[in-house]
Amino acid sequence: KNQVEQSPQSLIILEGKNCTLQCNYTVSPFSNLRWYKQDTGRGPVSLTIMTFSENTKSNGRYTATLDADTKQSSLHITASQLSDSASYICVVSASKTGANNLFFGTGTRLTVIP
Amino acid sequence: DSGVTQTPKHLITATGQRVTLRCSPRSGDLSVYWYQQSLDQGLQFLIQYYNGEERAKGNILERFSAQQFPDLHSELNLSSLELGDSALYFCASSIYGGALGDEQYFGPGTRLTVT
Repeated sequence: KNQVEQSPQSLIILEGKNCTLQCNYTVSPFSNLRWYKQDTGRGPVSLTIMTFSENTKSNGRYTATLDADTKQSSLHITASQLSDSASYICVVSASKTGANNLFFGTGTRLTVIP
Repeated sequence: DSGVTQTPKHLITATGQRVTLRCSPRSGDLSVYWYQQSLDQGLQFLIQYYNGEERAKGNILERFSAQQFPDLHSELNLSSLELGDSALYFCASSIYGGALGDEQYFGPGTRLTVT
């Protein structure tokens, strides 16, 4: 069964600290993996997209890693800011066209406190 | 700003009623996707249209329907509304039809409250 699981479900960290969010998936055949940031009540915004051959990709203070062998990805946030408070969603795409090949995790709710 | 617009922003209606949500994709995007996000739930894919035709269907109820018009805007129709239909409804658009690496850009969402 194609599934995407994220952990932790929620996380509270102090401003300036680093954190790592996890995404494990069983989607097959794998095409790509995306991390989205979703502020409360707003639409998700893409942070990174990684294909099978990529194992690290950065976007500013956000760095995503992918281990296609173990089917795991992580999103590392460096020097967190209050504006990083949001839900982070992992989305895995299977190797087919059409949107029904997208599998969404339920997200990690990150709260950054001063 | 993603370039995807959705109206209305908020909608409050009663059970049993029917509502229409509207989405305008980014300029040049041919695909429109609809998603439902209930409170503290993940995004649930409902349906996709590509250049006016239905392309893919997800967990869309029979009470819900959608269409994409020649100018590429899309409408999601929700009928016989139930309390459980209260949710955020997002529209996203992409250039192509969901091909590999086809980035989706999300609109700001419509918050539907059924009382």
